[in-house]
Amino acid sequence: EAGVAQSPRYKIIEKRQSVAFWCNPISGHATLYWYQQILGQGPKLLIQFQNNGVVDDSQLPKDRFSAERLKGVDSTLKIQPAKLEDSAVYLCASSLVIRGRSPLHFGNGTRLTVT
Amino acid sequence: AQTVTQSQPEMSVQEAETVTLSCTYDTSESDYYLFWYKQPPSRQMILVIRQEAYKQQNATENRFSVNFQKAAKSFSLKISDSQLGDAAMYFCAYSPGGGGADGLTFGKGTHLIIQP
Repeated sequence: EAGVAQSPRYKIIEKRQSVAFWCNPISGHATLYWYQQILGQGPKLLIQFQNNGVVDDSQLPKDRFSAERLKGVDSTLKIQPAKLEDSAVYLCASSLVIRGRSPLHFGNGTRLTVT
Repeated sequence: AQTVTQSQPEMSVQEAETVTLSCTYDTSESDYYLFWYKQPPSRQMILVIRQEAYKQQNATENRFSVNFQKAAKSFSLKISDSQLGDAAMYFCAYSPGGGGADGLTFGKGTHLIIQP
Protein backbone atom coordinates (compact mmCIF):
# COMPACT_ATOMS: atom_id res chain seq x y z
CA GLU A 1 0.00 0.00 0.00
CA ALA A 2 1.11 3.55 -0.64
CA GLY A 3 2.31 5.41 2.46
CA VAL A 4 1.35 8.80 3.87
CA ALA A 5 2.35 11.48 1.38
CA GLN A 6 3.45 14.93 2.46
CA SER A 7 4.59 17.98 0.53
CA PRO A 8 6.67 19.99 0.28
CA ARG A 9 9.68 18.19 1.77
CA TYR A 10 11.41 21.46 2.68
CA LYS A 11 10.23 25.06 2.96
CA ILE A 12 12.12 28.23 3.86
CA ILE A 13 10.16 31.42 4.53
CA GLU A 14 10.68 34.74 6.27
CA LYS A 15 8.90 35.55 9.51
CA ARG A 16 5.42 37.02 9.09
CA GLN A 17 4.94 35.14 5.81
CA SER A 18 2.37 32.38 5.43
CA VAL A 19 2.94 28.73 4.54
CA ALA A 20 0.83 25.65 3.90
CA PHE A 21 1.60 21.95 4.17
CA TRP A 22 -0.31 19.16 2.49
CA CYS A 23 -0.94 15.57 3.60
CA ASN A 24 -2.54 12.66 1.79
CA PRO A 25 -3.16 9.77 4.22
CA ILE A 26 -3.26 6.09 3.41
CA SER A 27 -6.44 5.21 1.55
CA GLY A 28 -9.26 4.27 3.91
CA HIS A 29 -7.62 5.71 7.03
CA ALA A 30 -10.26 7.64 8.93
CA THR A 31 -7.98 9.25 11.51
CA LEU A 32 -5.40 11.89 10.60
CA TYR A 33 -2.92 13.68 12.86
CA TRP A 34 -0.58 16.64 12.51
CA TYR A 35 2.47 16.76 14.76
CA GLN A 36 5.12 19.47 15.25
CA GLN A 37 8.66 18.26 15.98
CA ILE A 38 11.10 20.95 17.11
CA LEU A 39 14.78 20.04 16.81
CA GLY A 40 15.91 17.89 19.72
CA GLN A 41 12.39 17.12 20.94
CA GLY A 42 9.75 14.51 20.41
CA PRO A 43 6.76 15.25 18.19
CA LYS A 44 3.90 17.23 19.73
CA LEU A 45 0.31 16.69 18.61
CA LEU A 46 -1.23 19.75 16.99
CA ILE A 47 -4.56 18.42 15.76
CA GLN A 48 -6.42 15.14 15.26
CA PHE A 49 -9.20 14.55 12.72
CA GLN A 50 -11.68 11.70 12.60
CA ASN A 51 -12.95 11.73 8.99
CA ASN A 52 -13.51 15.48 8.45
CA GLY A 53 -14.29 16.34 12.09
CA VAL A 54 -11.82 17.66 14.68
CA VAL A 55 -11.30 15.32 17.64
CA ASP A 56 -8.55 17.28 19.44
CA ASP A 57 -6.99 20.65 18.68
CA SER A 58 -6.15 21.65 22.23
CA GLN A 59 -2.45 22.23 21.45
CA LEU A 60 -2.97 24.05 18.15
CA PRO A 61 -2.00 27.77 18.37
CA LYS A 62 -5.24 28.91 16.82
CA ASP A 63 -4.20 32.54 16.49
CA ARG A 64 -1.80 31.56 13.70
CA PHE A 65 -2.31 27.89 12.85
CA SER A 66 -5.28 26.41 11.04
CA ALA A 67 -6.00 23.00 9.58
CA GLU A 68 -8.72 21.44 7.52
CA ARG A 69 -9.57 18.04 6.15
CA LEU A 70 -12.11 18.51 3.41
CA LYS A 71 -14.09 15.41 2.39
CA GLY A 72 -12.31 13.41 5.11
CA VAL A 73 -9.29 12.60 2.94
CA ASP A 74 -6.47 15.11 2.25
CA SER A 75 -5.51 17.66 4.88
CA THR A 76 -3.83 21.06 4.84
CA LEU A 77 -2.04 22.74 7.74
CA LYS A 78 -1.48 26.50 7.45
CA ILE A 79 0.60 28.96 9.43
CA GLN A 80 -0.13 32.68 9.09
CA PRO A 81 1.89 34.66 10.05
CA ALA A 82 4.92 32.50 10.78
CA LYS A 83 7.26 33.15 13.70
CA LEU A 84 10.87 32.09 14.18
CA GLU A 85 9.79 29.53 16.79
CA ASP A 86 7.66 27.74 14.19
CA SER A 87 10.84 26.31 12.64
CA ALA A 88 10.31 22.56 12.97
CA VAL A 89 9.44 19.38 11.13
CA TYR A 90 5.70 18.97 10.57
CA LEU A 91 4.68 15.32 10.52
CA CYS A 92 1.39 13.93 9.28
CA ALA A 93 0.17 10.50 10.37
CA SER A 94 -2.89 8.40 9.72
CA SER A 95 -4.50 5.30 11.19
CA LEU A 96 -7.34 3.00 10.28
CA VAL A 97 -9.27 3.39 13.50
CA ILE A 98 -9.07 5.43 16.65
CA ARG A 99 -8.09 4.27 20.14
CA GLY A 100 -4.56 3.03 19.57
CA ARG A 101 -5.79 -0.30 18.27
CA SER A 102 -4.23 0.18 14.87
CA PRO A 103 -0.76 1.57 14.30
CA LEU A 104 -0.04 5.10 13.16
CA HIS A 105 1.62 5.47 9.78
CA PHE A 106 3.78 8.57 9.46
CA GLY A 107 4.85 10.54 6.43
CA ASN A 108 8.38 11.84 5.90
CA GLY A 109 7.45 15.29 7.17
CA THR A 110 8.01 18.84 5.98
CA ARG A 111 11.01 20.70 7.38
CA LEU A 112 10.10 24.36 7.85
CA THR A 113 12.76 27.01 8.40
CA VAL A 114 11.59 30.51 9.35
CA THR A 115 14.26 33.22 8.96
CA ALA B 1 -1.88 15.52 31.59
CA GLN B 2 0.25 12.58 30.64
CA THR B 3 4.03 12.92 30.49
CA VAL B 4 6.70 10.66 29.04
CA THR B 5 10.31 10.88 30.21
CA GLN B 6 13.37 9.45 28.49
CA SER B 7 16.38 10.10 30.69
CA GLN B 8 19.07 8.97 28.26
CA PRO B 9 19.73 11.57 25.55
CA GLU B 10 22.28 9.27 23.90
CA MET B 11 23.30 5.62 24.13
CA SER B 12 26.14 3.78 22.41
CA VAL B 13 26.50 0.02 21.91
CA GLN B 14 28.84 -2.30 20.05
CA GLU B 15 27.42 -4.13 17.06
CA ALA B 16 25.92 -7.52 18.05
CA GLU B 17 25.57 -6.54 21.71
CA THR B 18 22.43 -5.77 23.70
CA VAL B 19 21.23 -2.33 24.75
CA THR B 20 18.33 -1.16 26.90
CA LEU B 21 16.60 2.20 26.47
CA SER B 22 14.67 3.59 29.43
CA CYS B 23 11.27 5.26 29.55
CA THR B 24 8.98 6.29 32.38
CA TYR B 25 5.54 7.82 32.10
CA ASP B 26 2.95 9.43 34.28
CA THR B 27 -0.79 8.88 33.95
CA SER B 28 -3.85 8.45 36.12
CA GLU B 29 -5.52 6.22 33.52
CA SER B 30 -5.72 2.44 33.83
CA ASP B 31 -6.36 1.79 30.12
CA TYR B 32 -3.66 2.97 27.73
CA TYR B 33 -1.11 1.94 25.12
CA LEU B 34 2.65 2.37 25.07
CA PHE B 35 4.88 2.46 22.01
CA TRP B 36 8.47 2.65 20.89
CA TYR B 37 9.09 4.45 17.60
CA LYS B 38 12.31 4.65 15.61
CA GLN B 39 13.18 7.78 13.62
CA PRO B 40 16.10 7.47 11.17
CA PRO B 41 17.55 10.54 9.39
CA SER B 42 14.79 10.20 6.76
CA ARG B 43 12.50 11.61 9.50
CA GLN B 44 9.80 8.96 9.05
CA MET B 45 8.61 7.58 12.38
CA ILE B 46 8.55 3.77 12.30
CA LEU B 47 6.69 1.70 14.88
CA VAL B 48 9.04 -0.72 16.64
CA ILE B 49 6.80 -2.29 19.27
CA ARG B 50 3.49 -1.74 21.06
CA GLN B 51 2.22 -2.71 24.52
CA GLU B 52 -1.36 -2.68 25.75
CA ALA B 53 -1.52 -1.77 29.44
CA TYR B 54 -4.07 -4.46 30.30
CA LYS B 55 -1.72 -7.19 29.03
CA GLN B 56 0.76 -8.38 31.64
CA GLN B 57 2.90 -10.22 29.11
CA ASN B 58 5.76 -8.16 27.72
CA ALA B 59 5.60 -7.52 23.97
CA THR B 60 8.33 -8.88 21.69
CA GLU B 61 9.10 -8.32 18.01
CA ASN B 62 12.08 -10.32 16.78
CA ARG B 63 15.19 -8.68 18.35
CA PHE B 64 13.11 -6.06 20.17
CA SER B 65 11.41 -6.64 23.51
CA VAL B 66 10.04 -4.50 26.29
CA ASN B 67 10.06 -4.65 30.08
CA PHE B 68 6.68 -3.20 31.08
CA GLN B 69 6.36 -2.47 34.80
CA LYS B 70 2.87 -1.01 35.21
CA ALA B 71 3.08 -0.23 38.92
CA ALA B 72 6.40 1.55 38.46
CA LYS B 73 5.16 3.20 35.23
CA SER B 74 8.26 2.05 33.44
CA PHE B 75 8.53 0.85 29.83
CA SER B 76 12.06 0.01 28.68
CA LEU B 77 13.11 -1.27 25.25
CA LYS B 78 15.73 -3.99 24.86
CA ILE B 79 17.46 -4.43 21.52
CA SER B 80 19.35 -7.70 21.19
CA ASP B 81 22.09 -8.43 18.64
CA SER B 82 22.34 -4.75 17.69
CA GLN B 83 22.81 -4.04 14.00
CA LEU B 84 24.15 -0.98 12.20
CA GLY B 85 20.67 -0.35 10.81
CA ASP B 86 19.34 0.10 14.35
CA ALA B 87 21.14 3.45 14.63
CA ALA B 88 18.44 6.14 14.94
CA MET B 89 16.48 8.27 17.39
CA TYR B 90 14.13 6.19 19.53
CA PHE B 91 11.00 7.70 21.00
CA CYS B 92 8.80 6.29 23.73
CA ALA B 93 5.13 7.28 23.38
CA TYR B 94 1.86 7.00 25.28
CA SER B 95 -1.72 6.88 24.00
CA PRO B 96 -4.82 6.85 26.20
CA GLY B 97 -7.44 4.14 25.91
CA GLY B 98 -11.17 4.60 26.46
CA GLY B 99 -13.11 7.30 24.63
CA GLY B 100 -12.02 10.63 23.24
CA ALA B 101 -8.83 11.83 21.61
CA ASP B 102 -5.92 9.40 21.40
CA GLY B 103 -3.02 11.39 19.99
CA LEU B 104 0.41 10.17 21.07
CA THR B 105 2.46 11.90 23.77
CA PHE B 106 6.15 11.44 23.02
CA GLY B 107 9.29 11.59 25.14
CA LYS B 108 12.29 13.66 24.02
CA GLY B 109 14.03 10.68 22.49
CA THR B 110 17.26 8.70 22.84
CA HIS B 111 19.89 8.84 20.12
CA LEU B 112 21.20 5.30 19.64
CA ILE B 113 24.69 4.91 18.18
CA ILE B 114 25.90 1.52 16.96
CA GLN B 115 29.69 1.07 17.04
CA PRO B 116 30.98 -1.30 14.33
